[in-house]
Amino acid sequence: SQTIHQWPATLVQPVGSPLSLECTVEGTSNPNLYWYRQAAGRGLQLLFYSVGIGQISSEVPQNLSASRPQDRQFILSSKKLLLSDSGFYLCAWSLSGVRPEQFFGPGTRLTVL
Amino acid sequence: QQQVKQSPQSLIVQKGGISIINCAYENTAFDYFPWYQQFPGKGPALLIAIRPDVSEKKEGRFTISFNKSAKQFSLHIMDSQPGDSATYFCAARRGSSNTGKLIFGQGTTLQVKP
Repeated sequence: SQTIHQWPATLVQPVGSPLSLECTVEGTSNPNLYWYRQAAGRGLQLLFYSVGIGQISSEVPQNLSASRPQDRQFILSSKKLLLSDSGFYLCAWSLSGVRPEQFFGPGTRLTVL
Repeated sequence: QQQVKQSPQSLIVQKGGISIINCAYENTAFDYFPWYQQFPGKGPALLIAIRPDVSEKKEGRFTISFNKSAKQFSLHIMDSQPGDSATYFCAARRGSSNTGKLIFGQGTTLQVKP
């Protein structure tokens, strides 16, 4: 069966510090991968998606970047965090073209102080 | 045309009652409509989903009703329980895309009172 992992689970970082959040998927090959951000009490905002290694599409202009160095690894990064980067970051995967379902990871709670 | 509009924003239901959450869309190219359930501090979990070629899908106490002509779909939770208290998101996927991207509604916070 497939499993999606995210770490860390929680993170408190000062403004201006770098960020690296990691997501890995087990039990599948060539998944589509997604990064979402959820502000407190708000909906899901798609930040990036990837249909393959090294292929990253950005949905909104922002202070963040994403990379996919391996088939089942998706990384969200920032060189300098802003207060507005605080939120709940969710990674998700799907097998587009095979099945439409999209599955979410447990999330990372980021607080920028 | 890419939006999915969800209502109500919040909902309070008595235990045993029926919870109903509605979503509307404009893009007729959408071909897959899932509902997600999210508990505080957790990632959303896929609850139930429907394709536009059927008008209703039922899984246990959860039912999706789909009205293709009205471009609306809704989630019905029968015999609502306090454990159903969570945030619910509807979503839609554009069929012609290979990205699998979902367009999400803004969410409905459901509280089921004992």
